[in-house]
Parts: sequence; C-alpha cells; structure tokens
Amino acid sequence: GEDVEQSLFLSVREGDSSVINCTYTDSSSTYLYWYKQEPGAGLQLLTYIFSNMDMKQDQRLTVLLNKKDKHLSLRIADTQTGDSAIYFCAERDYGQNFVFGPGTRLSVLP
Amino acid sequence: NAGVTQTPKFQVLKTGQSMTLQCAQDMNHEYMSWYRQDPGMGLRLIHYSVGAGITDQGEVPNGYNVSRSTTEDFPLRLLSAAPSQTSVYFCASSYRMRGLVGNTEAFFGQGTRLTVV
Repeated sequence: GEDVEQSLFLSVREGDSSVINCTYTDSSSTYLYWYKQEPGAGLQLLTYIFSNMDMKQDQRLTVLLNKKDKHLSLRIADTQTGDSAIYFCAERDYGQNFVFGPGTRLSVLP
Repeated sequence: NAGVTQTPKFQVLKTGQSMTLQCAQDMNHEYMSWYRQDPGMGLRLIHYSVGAGITDQGEVPNGYNVSRSTTEDFPLRLLSAAPSQTSVYFCASSYRMRGLVGNTEAFFGQGTRLTVV
C-alpha cells in the first residue's frame, strides 16, 4: 500500500534553516501537504504543492518536490522557537484518502 | 464558522465500556474521516466517508463503527473499549477531489484524548 516516510527528530539552532525530508511511494499522488502540530492541538496546514510543480515558496517556507525520486522537503528559513512542533508530510490521491508520515519533531535550540 | 468540532476533548473509559466520539463540520464538506494518533506512528485512518450514507474502512477499523446520516456529522463508536484503543483521535473533513481542480486540504478538529483503563 501507500507509505510515507520521515525522520522522527530534527534539532536546529534558532536563526538557522531547518530542512525536513519526506519520501512517499504512491506515484499517483496529486497533492502533497505539510501539516504542523503544536502540543495538545490538531493539525494545521502549512503549505501544499501540486504534483506537477517542482518548488513552491511561501514566506519563510520552501517546498521542493522531486517526483522522480518521490522526495519532498520543507525548508524553514530563519527558524524560530515558535517553529518547534511536529511536522507531518501527507499525500492525497484520487482515492480521496490522505496518507500521513510519522511526523518529524523539530526542536529549536536558543 | 466553527470548522471541525470534536467532543469530548478528554475521556477515560473502563475496559468493555462503549462510547461515541462526536465530530461535526459546518463547511459542507463531502469527505470526513477519523484517525488515531499514536507516538511514532503518525495518523492512521480508521474509517472515512465520501458523502452522507457512504462509509468505508481505513487502515485500522477493528473495534470501531461509524455512520454518516448527515453531511455535517460523522460519529465514531467504540463498541467495547480496550486498552489498545488508548490514543488521540482526530476527525478531519475536506471537499472531495474532482480531477485536478483546486486544492482540497483536510481540516482537523482539536482531537479527543481517550484513555482506556
């Protein structure tokens, strides 16, 4: 079946860039998403990319998509302590369902 | 516009008890779904619905029932609670995907933290 993989932990220093990586298996994925979850809260959409795009930039966020390698990354520029959270990569295909990765816990050190 | 509303936020059950987790959305979304979140495992799909009267099983449906009598509501029933069902449960809704037209992000409720003792 479909599978989405992410590394579980990432630590960066405040002001540095963070890069969170994700790989997926479903070649029919149309939209790929990044969600953020803060402690005790639900998931909130950060950004998304359509599968025929290579890159999308949205303020401090840059999403890169390598369709050939089925690799998605999220870069957060000038990472702040408020960026500490769990980040989920997700794909959605014509089957209507979302498949989520295990989440990457980002810790921002002062 | 309340978005996706889940109740209760917290619940403690004894093994063997039954209960219903409520989910309601006011965005006229056709697609609704239930996930459970366990440490290191991401979100796993329990059941989903693509419209009123239509439900289907996800990855981990055993021990759970759903129904979709209206577009707005999608309750999740635990038939006989077990400690393995201790988890955080999320309801999500979105528009159905129709070809390549428009983003159809999922909107999430705030979660129900369930403990079964």
